[in-house]
Amino acid sequence: QKEVEQDPGPLSVPEGAIVSLNCTYSNSAFQYFMWYRQYSRKGPELLMYTYSSGNKEDGRFTAQVDKSSKYISLFIRDSQPSDSATYLCAMSPMDSNYQLIWGAGTKLIIKP
Amino acid sequence: DTGVSQNPRHKITKRGQNVTFRCDPISEHNRLYWYRQTLGQGPEFLTYFQNEAQLEKSRLLSDRFSAERPKGSFSTLEIQRTEQGDSAMYLCASSYPGPFSGANVLTFGAGSRLTVL
Repeated sequence: QKEVEQDPGPLSVPEGAIVSLNCTYSNSAFQYFMWYRQYSRKGPELLMYTYSSGNKEDGRFTAQVDKSSKYISLFIRDSQPSDSATYLCAMSPMDSNYQLIWGAGTKLIIKP
Repeated sequence: DTGVSQNPRHKITKRGQNVTFRCDPISEHNRLYWYRQTLGQGPEFLTYFQNEAQLEKSRLLSDRFSAERPKGSFSTLEIQRTEQGDSAMYLCASSYPGPFSGANVLTFGAGSRLTVL
């Protein structure tokens, strides 16, 4: 079993819909949680990062961490075709910030 | 600063040949990382430098792989005697510890795609 599980998709939704992307993990030592977006043939770019549990909002994006359930989510409101990409979650323990554990990524398609 | 730069963007080689990739990180970043990514997978950690010192190397990394960062600026990743299984995207990233120490905020380059025939 992988340390971080993420549904590969593809997830296809109409423009304007609310999108929910999720990851589960098994290592209770993880403290830092990140979401990266990766367009085709590009490197990942950081969208959001959170520390420990709770919510964080940035524009149309909201990240949630539920450490009790070992579950993190990324919500995208008013989704746009330009949001079509692969979304990767990544996480690390507090004392090992040089190495991230990554999910496999969820491919998201926003239909105009 | 134009971000993290990687060259070449795509390399096609025959099995058994050596290849070298170059990464130029963001100038004020002292940490540099190499990752490998295959289709449908997340990045896989290869190695990590702080300034010119190589501090960590994945135990999954074959001895055919070597990385250097001689002056703490650009880095090279060399793969000797390439195999078809080495075909992947090789990603470089850099970071600098910010106010949230412990948060590893990476800035990635566009990657170097390797195809081994």
